[in-house]
Amino acid sequence: QKEVEQNSGPLSVPEGAIASLNCTYSDRGSQSFFWYRQYSGKSPELIMSIYSNGDKEDGRFTAQLNKASQYVSLLIRDSQPSDSATYLCAVTENDKIIFGKGTRLHILP
Amino acid sequence: GAGVSQSPSNKVTEKGKDVELRCDPISGHTALYWYRQSLGQGLEFLIYFQGNSAPDKSGLPSDRFSAERTGGSVSTLTIQRTQQEDSAVYLCASSLGPGQLAYTQYFGPGTRLTVL
Repeated sequence: QKEVEQNSGPLSVPEGAIASLNCTYSDRGSQSFFWYRQYSGKSPELIMSIYSNGDKEDGRFTAQLNKASQYVSLLIRDSQPSDSATYLCAVTENDKIIFGKGTRLHILP
Repeated sequence: GAGVSQSPSNKVTEKGKDVELRCDPISGHTALYWYRQSLGQGLEFLIYFQGNSAPDKSGLPSDRFSAERTGGSVSTLTIQRTQQEDSAVYLCASSLGPGQLAYTQYFGPGTRLTVL
């Protein structure tokens, strides 16, 4: 099984600032990439999906994909305390979906 | 509409006992996944079912773990002779199937397993 790597954090970001979350993956064949948010004690929920190189924006969230560097990131603009959670990067590997260990994000009020 | 449901929500068992965890996916979803999440850890892939294809069991940690999916719908994860290291939250997810836009997974609430 290939690897999906994330910095475990915690990443502390002041309220209103930009939070930047990074993920690298080892399977060059991966085609689909996802960011999930998981609040403590809850199940993961999808925030963003991205399939082609470049940026994809949805509200305060921007996903960035660089397949050559095997790198995917998530930017959260105007960070809010409600963004405090663990963010899980996921990639496809032969149609199954593999998750990283997640980055804990803490937004400082 | 109904989401992914899992039962039981909590299970406490004694070391050496067998347990069965159930997952009801969203109707029409052909793909079903089981993951395990230990406290403060990420999601560990266990097994993946897609339609009538043979399941991908590459993530099952030992032969004590098995899963089946009957009629392409409900799935049961069985852990035999449970050990304390099996204690974790077991999450089930379903999706429409492979292919872009269909990969989006919807997670159930999980089953918290505690092995004493």
